[in-house]
Amino acid sequence: DAGITQSPRYKITETGRQVTLMCHQTWSHSYMFWYRQDLGHGLRLIYYSAAADITDKGEVPDGYVVSRSKTENFPLTLESATRSQTSVYFCASSESMGITQYFGPGTRLTVL
Amino acid sequence: AQTVTQSQPEMSVQEAETVTLSCTYDTSESDYYLFWYKQPPSRQMILVIRQEAYKQQNATENRFSVNFQKAAKSFSLKISDSQLGDAAMYFCAYSWGTSGTYKYIFGTGTRLKVLA
Repeated sequence: DAGITQSPRYKITETGRQVTLMCHQTWSHSYMFWYRQDLGHGLRLIYYSAAADITDKGEVPDGYVVSRSKTENFPLTLESATRSQTSVYFCASSESMGITQYFGPGTRLTVL
Repeated sequence: AQTVTQSQPEMSVQEAETVTLSCTYDTSESDYYLFWYKQPPSRQMILVIRQEAYKQQNATENRFSVNFQKAAKSFSLKISDSQLGDAAMYFCAYSWGTSGTYKYIFGTGTRLKVLA
């Protein structure tokens, strides 16, 4: 299916475990993004990528790692999950900076 | 630092009436983009409308229009003929970028209720 997908849609894990959230887009968009959404904060940018092998920090990068070996994939890894990382995570993509971002359906992550 | 402020956590509107959602932002840049996104209960983020700062004309998309006041750094969304399907969280967003730096900042959202 065309578009942007995220997996898993729901994840429960324990403190200290490593978790990877997957994001895949079929448009060949250059830019990809990871956000977290928390009550009272709206969406906050974690990391973004301008192209394969190019990534940069957003507003709240601590505790997260990203990679982008292929244009269509942009996984987000929590190397040692903490309860403060309980959130809804959104992946997005766009053709270039400043234009419309297309969002995935989100992943609800709970860290116990 | 750039910021986006939505001062109305919740708004209500009667079906078929008009409602305006407020958004203010702070930036020292002259060229940037502003957006309104809708997030229904399904959680999917959907673009409603987009405005380029260098354009003086206010953007419109069917029943949705904006009032962009660049000097005042204000970007409000007007929804005309409100429908039940308009009920959602609405987020205002600011985007700016140059080589090596990129910012995409969201406000905290306004929950819109549409009353039948």
